[in-house]
Amino acid sequence: DIQMTQSPSSVSASIGDRVTITCRASEDISDWLGWYQQRPGEAPKLLIHYASALNTGVPSRFSGGGSGTHFTLTISSLHPEDFATYYCHQASGFPPFTFGPGTKVDVK
Amino acid sequence: QVQLQQWGAGLLKPSETLSLTCGVSGGSFIGYYWTWIRQPPGKGLEWIGEVVHSGSPNYSPSLRSRVTISVDTSSYQFSLKLKSVSAADTAVYYCARGRYFEYWGPGSLVTVSS
Repeated sequence: DIQMTQSPSSVSASIGDRVTITCRASEDISDWLGWYQQRPGEAPKLLIHYASALNTGVPSRFSGGGSGTHFTLTISSLHPEDFATYYCHQASGFPPFTFGPGTKVDVK
Repeated sequence: QVQLQQWGAGLLKPSETLSLTCGVSGGSFIGYYWTWIRQPPGKGLEWIGEVVHSGSPNYSPSLRSRVTISVDTSSYQFSLKLKSVSAADTAVYYCARGRYFEYWGPGSLVTVSS
């Protein structure tokens, strides 16, 4: 199975800050990577697919990059509604399609 | 607008079988993977498995011996069964569409307790 790791596990930030989260895959997954945002009590929301393609309706302050085994999610300027937990997810090849352990973005 | 609704028993005793169904409305059922994902309280997301209308289901190796995912194309529904549950199966269970999960159900909390 492909293992996914994320760093940091949590980050404290202020409104307006730039935040970058890193996700690594245990083997090459090309650009088969998605990023999800989950607020407490809600289902996750797809932000980015194919590593860098913004999902419909997602604000442009979110961006994704990387390929192969190293990926990033960047929030260029943190808004109040962005305090949440973020998960990466690999959709490459054969199942299981594993998630990273999550990165919590909270208020500094 | 695609919507997923879930239903099923929320409280089970150990060794019983978990059974959840997800109904799809507002979009095509054909041509998509339909997926179950779970999240234990306070923890991360775990992919359980997927089914497509015309193919065999795929399961997580860690659950394969206990899980069955089936599809009823005529009713736009797909279902999850997990047998021999234990407290470790207590989680919010989500249904979702695709390999990139653009649409999600609201989640169903399933508690396993004696």
